[in-house]
Amino acid sequence: AQSVAQPEDQVNVAEGNPLTVKCTYSVSGNPYLFWYVQYPNRGLQFLLKYITGDNLVKGSYGFEAEFNKSQTSFHLKKPSALVSDSALYFCAVRDPSGYSTLTFGKGTMLLVSP
Amino acid sequence: EAQVTQNPRYLITVTGKKLTVTCSQNMNHEYMSWYRQDPGLGLRQIYYSMNVEVTDKGDVPEGYKVSRKEKRNFPLILESPSPNQTSLYFCASRYSQLGDTQYFGPGTRLTVL
Repeated sequence: AQSVAQPEDQVNVAEGNPLTVKCTYSVSGNPYLFWYVQYPNRGLQFLLKYITGDNLVKGSYGFEAEFNKSQTSFHLKKPSALVSDSALYFCAVRDPSGYSTLTFGKGTMLLVSP
Repeated sequence: EAQVTQNPRYLITVTGKKLTVTCSQNMNHEYMSWYRQDPGLGLRQIYYSMNVEVTDKGDVPEGYKVSRKEKRNFPLILESPSPNQTSLYFCASRYSQLGDTQYFGPGTRLTVL
């Protein structure tokens, strides 16, 4: 069965500093990987995805993520954090070998301080 | 505007009173699904539908029903709600290809007393 782990419940970073939100996954085949963000009282918004190709994926709002197959990781990064980046971030995985469900991690709260 | 809509956004009800949460998408997506979000548990899939008249159970289907009579609509039905179904519910949709991005509705916050 596919699964996703987000080892940090919360990440704190100062505005202007780089940020990393960690994600590791487990699937039987080559994964499709996604990051979503949830702002307070809002639905989930798509940030970026990895399907195939370049391991460094660029997405919305200046975020990027690096796919590392050997470490089964897909960490979300941003070079310079903004206070407005404070939100709940979800990593998700889909196993393309016939199983269509998107499985989510438990989420990581990112808090960016001024 | 391409979007997934849900109604109602907020609902307070009592145990045993049947309710339906509607979901509609205007993107002609084949695939639709329902999730519930609970603190510390992330999002868990309740049911999904690959296309009209094709539905299947997700990870936590107990106590829920769905139907897919039209491509754009995917209502979630709670025949006899219980307090453990108090949660935040999200509908989502995407095209049928596995690499396609899934789009989410704004959420329905349900409280069952």
